[in-house]
Amino acid sequence: DVKVTQSSRYLVKRTGEKVFLECVQDMDHENMFWYRQDPGLGLRLIYFSYDVKMKEKGDIPEGYSVSREKKERFSLILESASTNQTSMYLCASSTGQGAYEQYFGPGTRLTVT
Amino acid sequence: DQQVKQNSPSLSVQEGRISILNCDYTNSMFDYFLWYKKYPAEGPTFLISISSIKDKNEDGRFTVFLNKSAKHLSLHIVPSQPGDSAVYFCAASEGNEKLTFGTGTRLTIIP
Repeated sequence: DVKVTQSSRYLVKRTGEKVFLECVQDMDHENMFWYRQDPGLGLRLIYFSYDVKMKEKGDIPEGYSVSREKKERFSLILESASTNQTSMYLCASSTGQGAYEQYFGPGTRLTVT
Repeated sequence: DQQVKQNSPSLSVQEGRISILNCDYTNSMFDYFLWYKKYPAEGPTFLISISSIKDKNEDGRFTVFLNKSAKHLSLHIVPSQPGDSAVYFCAASEGNEKLTFGTGTRLTIIP
């Protein structure tokens, strides 16, 4: 079974702090994704990566950056956290071989106060 | 602009009856569609998918129907069970691995 793990289930940070969310997958998948889920808005893509050191902006990249130094690890960085970044953050991966199914981690509930 | 829409935020169905979840899309370049199920405090899990070359795909109690001319897809669950209570998201792809998700429908199965 594919396993996608996220470093924290719950996180509370203060406005202006730099926040790191880590995601690790164990299936040698090429592609990795970061989403945020908000009530009434569904899942919105922040950034994705189709290879090590490669990244592409999703639909809502403002205020976020990412890092992929190793194939299995994809980090989401909030440079200066703001209250409107309070959300559920979900990481996903997919094989990158023409299969569209994505496998999700359990999510990180981030609260910025 | 929401390219994938789930117009019903919630749906309640009696146990044993059919649950029908609907999804509409506006982008005619979408050619692959997926349904995901999400329990609280867990990540979404893949349920079933359909390619645009088909109009129906079935997997056990779950069937997805695609009407390309109407840009509409639906997920049928028969018979509905209490464990089906969850939020369901439809998603669409333009033929690459990037997915566009709908806003979700919360399904509640009433025992």
